[in-house]
Amino acid sequence: GQQLNQSPQSMFIQEGEDVSMNCTSSSIFNTWLWYKQDPGEGPVLLIALYKAGELTSNGRLTAQFGITRKDSFLNISASIPSDVGIYFCAGTTQGGSEKLVFGKGTKLTVNP
Amino acid sequence: ETGVTQTPRHLVMGMTNKKSLKCEQHLGHNAMYWYKQSAKKPLELMFVYNFKEQTENNSVPSRFSPECPNSSHLFLHLHTLQPEDSALYLCASSQDDRGNTEAFFGQGTRLTVV
Repeated sequence: GQQLNQSPQSMFIQEGEDVSMNCTSSSIFNTWLWYKQDPGEGPVLLIALYKAGELTSNGRLTAQFGITRKDSFLNISASIPSDVGIYFCAGTTQGGSEKLVFGKGTKLTVNP
Repeated sequence: ETGVTQTPRHLVMGMTNKKSLKCEQHLGHNAMYWYKQSAKKPLELMFVYNFKEQTENNSVPSRFSPECPNSSHLFLHLHTLQPEDSALYLCASSQDDRGNTEAFFGQGTRLTVV
């Protein structure tokens, strides 16, 4: 099936630092979604992107749909302890089954 | 609250037991999904229903049996499971089963097979 390469796998940062994570694929994507999952909970949608080059913010979170349509990044500014969790990228591929494909996640730890 | 509710939140069952997971969505969506989330693995799509019809079965063993009586409810019937089936089972819904619409997840059922 389609593969999404999400990096880094894990991050350990200090409170107040900015964070950046990304997803790449060899396939062209029509949609990029970013989710956050807290321990023991289901993923919660943070940002949805539908157009190449689109840059969207949600509070301290900013995500972009890459111009090549093969990548996306998520930035978190001025991290706080409640940002801890696993962040997943997901997307649908052009010419594919149009089912969501998920990355393996980036586990974020924020030290106060 | 995402508008998708799963019950129970936790379930421990023996390999000879029969149990069911329930999912209900209050979003007016037409598509519902079951995912399996195991440690250190990406989310695995199991089943997709669109307007109550199953549109995808991702080679899931027959010991998992889904049921979708209407667009708001989705069940996953479990029988003779194996310990390796222990995982977080997530239900999701979207406007339809075309991927250009966002999927909203429930909180999941943590299943332990003993």
